[in-house]
Amino acid sequence: QQQVKQSPQSLIVQKGGISIINCAYENTAFDYFPWYQQFPGKGPALLIAIRPDVSEKKEGRFTISFNKSAKQFSLHIMDSQPGDSATYFCAASIKTDKLIFGTGTRLQVFP
Amino acid sequence: DTGVSQDPRHKITKRGQNVTFRCDPISEHNRLYWYRQTLGQGPEFLTYFQNEAQLEKSRLLSDRFSAERPKGSFSTLEIQRTEQGDSAMYLCASSLAGGREQFFGPGTRLTVL
Repeated sequence: QQQVKQSPQSLIVQKGGISIINCAYENTAFDYFPWYQQFPGKGPALLIAIRPDVSEKKEGRFTISFNKSAKQFSLHIMDSQPGDSATYFCAASIKTDKLIFGTGTRLQVFP
Repeated sequence: DTGVSQDPRHKITKRGQNVTFRCDPISEHNRLYWYRQTLGQGPEFLTYFQNEAQLEKSRLLSDRFSAERPKGSFSTLEIQRTEQGDSAMYLCASSLAGGREQFFGPGTRLTVL
């Protein structure tokens, strides 16, 4: 019940395309859903986050869509660029507690 | 730089040796978290502190692991009698108490031979 399931495991997108990564959770007590971006050899960097009272949040080229009834949320990267090539992790937490991470999606954007 | 820092960045040790890692959080952050990340996986929670109090420990944190945050500022994570299965990236994150955003350091890559 504490798991966050993430798909796909890897994603190849052409430059300018849309990258979509999906996550699903079971625990309805989760109330904070961040996405992190990680480059090889670096720590995860917070990208964007959403709370369950909002269905969508957009920051630049990055959008989170949240479906509370389906217990799913997704990250959309518009106009994907080669510099976006990284591993992306969804996560969830309850109150100010520890983060529960998904297994990650390796994104490759080809020019 | 006012981000989270970790030291060392890389550590190679022989099985059975003890190792200690240090984390310096963002200065005004009173919550500090330790996570472990193995290759191809997401970070897994190990333990966290609010100020100097250790509030939760994961079942992943065996008796060989100990963490401290003696003055509520920096934290250390010690692994005694290292095993090859301890090889991983050890990540530290910090946040404000009551805040939701956790900011991660660059990690310490541990290799146990």
